[in-house]
Amino acid sequence: DVKVTQSSRYLVKRTGEKVFLECVQDMDHENMFWYRQDPGLGLRLIYFSYDVKMKEKGDIPEGYSVSREKKERFSLILESASTNQTSMYLCASSWGLKRERLTGELFFGEGSRLTVL
Amino acid sequence: SQQGEEDPQALSIQEGENATMNCSYKTSINNLQWYRQNSGRGLVHLILIRSNEREKHSGRLRVTLDTSKKSSSLLITASRAADTASYFCATDFSGTYKYIFGTGTRLKVLA
Repeated sequence: DVKVTQSSRYLVKRTGEKVFLECVQDMDHENMFWYRQDPGLGLRLIYFSYDVKMKEKGDIPEGYSVSREKKERFSLILESASTNQTSMYLCASSWGLKRERLTGELFFGEGSRLTVL
Repeated sequence: SQQGEEDPQALSIQEGENATMNCSYKTSINNLQWYRQNSGRGLVHLILIRSNEREKHSGRLRVTLDTSKKSSSLLITASRAADTASYFCATDFSGTYKYIFGTGTRLKVLA
């Protein structure tokens, strides 16, 4: 089975701290995604990556950056955490367009609930 | 954003009844997917329907797609208490696997 692992289920940070959220997938997927989920707003795409060192902004990239140095790992970075970044963060991965198995299905991690005080 | 919107936002039914939830979207798509999320957990893929398909079944799930109306529906038949969860539709941008999610329908199935 595909496994997407997020490093922390729960984090509590202080305003201004630098925060790293790590995500690792074990299925050699090309695409990886970071979403943010808030009540009433659903899932909103922050960033996605379709290859190593490649990234594209989603709908709400402000205040976030990402890093993909290896294919299996996609990190979300909050350079200076703020209280409005308190949220559930969801990482996902999927096959790329060039794969034969073009289902487009996203595989999600269990989520990281971040609280910024 | 071509974010989809699910309707209703919340639904409460008795065990054994059918549950129907709808999704509307704004622009042309290649695929539409439905996902399920148990409280506080990640999302799990349920079913994908392509733009050239009108209906698809998987177990107790039935999905329809009407591209002329830019809408889809998910029907769960003979619902169970274990079906209690939030359900999301996700639509893709043409030529990519960048999926945009709706706001979800919270389904509660009462035993």
